[in-house]
Amino acid sequence: AQSVAQPEDQVNVAEGNPLTVKCTYSVSGNPYLFWYVQYPNRGLQFLLKYITGDNLVKGSYGFEAEFNKSQTSFHLKKPSALVSDSALYFCAVRGATASKLTFGTGTRLQVTL
Amino acid sequence: NAGVTQTPKFQVLKTGQSMTLQCAQDMNHEYMSWYRQDPGMGLRLIHYSVGAGITDQGEVPNGYNVSRSTTEDFPLRLLSAAPSQTSVYFCASSYGTSGIFEQFFGPGTRLTVL
Repeated sequence: AQSVAQPEDQVNVAEGNPLTVKCTYSVSGNPYLFWYVQYPNRGLQFLLKYITGDNLVKGSYGFEAEFNKSQTSFHLKKPSALVSDSALYFCAVRGATASKLTFGTGTRLQVTL
Repeated sequence: NAGVTQTPKFQVLKTGQSMTLQCAQDMNHEYMSWYRQDPGMGLRLIHYSVGAGITDQGEVPNGYNVSRSTTEDFPLRLLSAAPSQTSVYFCASSYGTSGIFEQFFGPGTRLTVL
């Protein structure tokens, strides 16, 4: 069975500082990895994905994530946080031979001035 | 394109009532799915479909039925609502069935069962 762990319920960071939201996964075979963001009272929006190729993937709004196969991690990063980045972030994984996407429990990012 | 649309936005039911949550997409996506979002539990897959006429169960299918008669529509039916089904429900769709494409989510339906 595939699974995703987001070990932090909340991450607090000051505006202008770098941010990291952690994600580790477990899956059979090669993983397809995704990050989504949810703003209050909205549906999820796609940020970025890793399917194959370069381990560092870049996505929307200046976010990037690094795929680390040996550590089974796919942490989300941004060099300089904005207050408007405050939202709920979900990591998701799907095994290459699976038919379903599994989401983590989400990490709330709070960026303060 | 309207993307993924869901109706209603809010619904209150009494225990034992039935209802259908509507979901439609205008992107000609093959893959559609229903999730429920509960605090501290993230999103859990209820049912999914890889094309018209084909549906399958997700992690938490009990108490829910789905059908996919057209590519565009994927309604979720609650046959006899229970308080445990109080949640926010999201419909999502994606291009193809390979899993390499991102999902597009609707705005959600907030359901309360009394």
